[in-house]
Parts: sequence; C-alpha cells; structure tokens
Amino acid sequence: AQSVTQLDSQVPVFEEAPVELRCNYSSSVSVYLFWYVQYPNQGLQLLLKYLSGSTLVKGINGFEAEFNKSQTSFHLRKPSVHISDTAEYFCAVSDWVNRDDKIIFGKGTRLHILP
Amino acid sequence: DTGVSQDPRHKITKRGQNVTFRCDPISEHNRLYWYRQTLGQGPEFLTYFQNEAQLEKSRLLSDRFSAERPKGSFSTLEIQRTEQGDSAMYLCASSILGQGARNSPLHFGNGTRLTVT
Repeated sequence: AQSVTQLDSQVPVFEEAPVELRCNYSSSVSVYLFWYVQYPNQGLQLLLKYLSGSTLVKGINGFEAEFNKSQTSFHLRKPSVHISDTAEYFCAVSDWVNRDDKIIFGKGTRLHILP
Repeated sequence: DTGVSQDPRHKITKRGQNVTFRCDPISEHNRLYWYRQTLGQGPEFLTYFQNEAQLEKSRLLSDRFSAERPKGSFSTLEIQRTEQGDSAMYLCASSILGQGARNSPLHFGNGTRLTVT
C-alpha cells in the first residue's frame, strides 16, 4: 500500500526567506504525486501535481516541486515566502500503475511565517 | 462550476445517535470520495464511488459507517451509533475519470465537522 511521509510537522520561516517542505513516498512503482494546501478555516486546494514528464513542476502562488524517483521524494519549495503562505501543506500520492485512484495523504506540514 | 458542497457544515450529536452527511460533487464529476480528517493529521481515505458504484471501502472503516451514491450524483455518509472517537472533519471530494483512465485531481468541499458529546 502507498504511504507518504512528511518529515516535518511544523516549519517556521522568516518572511521573504526560502522554504522547502519535505515529502517522501513509499512505492517504487510509477505514481502520481500532489501537493495540497489548506489555509486556515478553508478546504483543501490543489497546489501542484506531477503526473509525468518534466520532474520540475510549477504550481500556484510561486511554489514548485521536484520529483526524484531514485530518492522517492517530492519536495516542495518556494524561493521567498509571504505571510499569506501560512497554511498546512499536504503531500499526496496515487498509484496509477495499478489503476488505484484513491489518493493517500501525508500528515501535513504546518508552515509558520515569522515577521 | 459551483464546487463541491457539503451539508451540514457543523454537526453536534450525542453519543449513540445516528448522523447523516450529504455531499454534492461538481456536476460532471463521476468520481466521489469521502475522507476523514482529525486535528494534526492528513485526510484519511474512507471510501470512493465511480458513478453509483462503490469501488473501495477502507478496512479502517467500521460497519457503523455506510455511504451511498444512489443516482451517481450526490452522496450520503451515515454513521450509526456514534462514538466520541468519530469526532472529526468529514471531507468529500470529486474528480472526473477521463479518457486514458487518467483521473483529474481531487476537488474538495469545505467539510462537515462532527462533534460527538
């Protein structure tokens, strides 16, 4: 079964500093990978996705993620964060080889922007 | 596209009571998912449908939980004999399975927050 590990439950970072949120997934078979964001008191929104092709994926709000098959990682990055990026970020995976379309989420990383 | 809507937004119930939640997916979406989220955790998969067919149910889901999607449009999630451990946010999401069996990303509703006292 698929699983996702988000190594940091909380990440504090100063405003305008760069940030990386780490994500590792369990399977070596081909997968789809996602990052979702949940702003305070809001529902989950898709930030970006990797389905195939280029390993560097760009998403909304200046975020990007890089798929690394050898390290089974899909880390999320932003070069300069803003106070409005305060939210919880979830990495997720689905197993397309086995046509298993349910998406499995990690436990989340809370991004805390310091002024 | 009015998004995924869930009703009610909040539900407070006493232990032992039955509750039912409703989810209306995006109209053309044929896949519908239910997840549960507790504080400090990511969404946990419960079950999903393609049209009216329930394709998978999590082994973690007890027999007190049942979900239906009778006409392939809206879905209901019922919890019988609620327990305090059922307190959580219940999320619904929908997607469309297109050509080539490639699923679109999930679109989530704002959830129903259940509190069992």
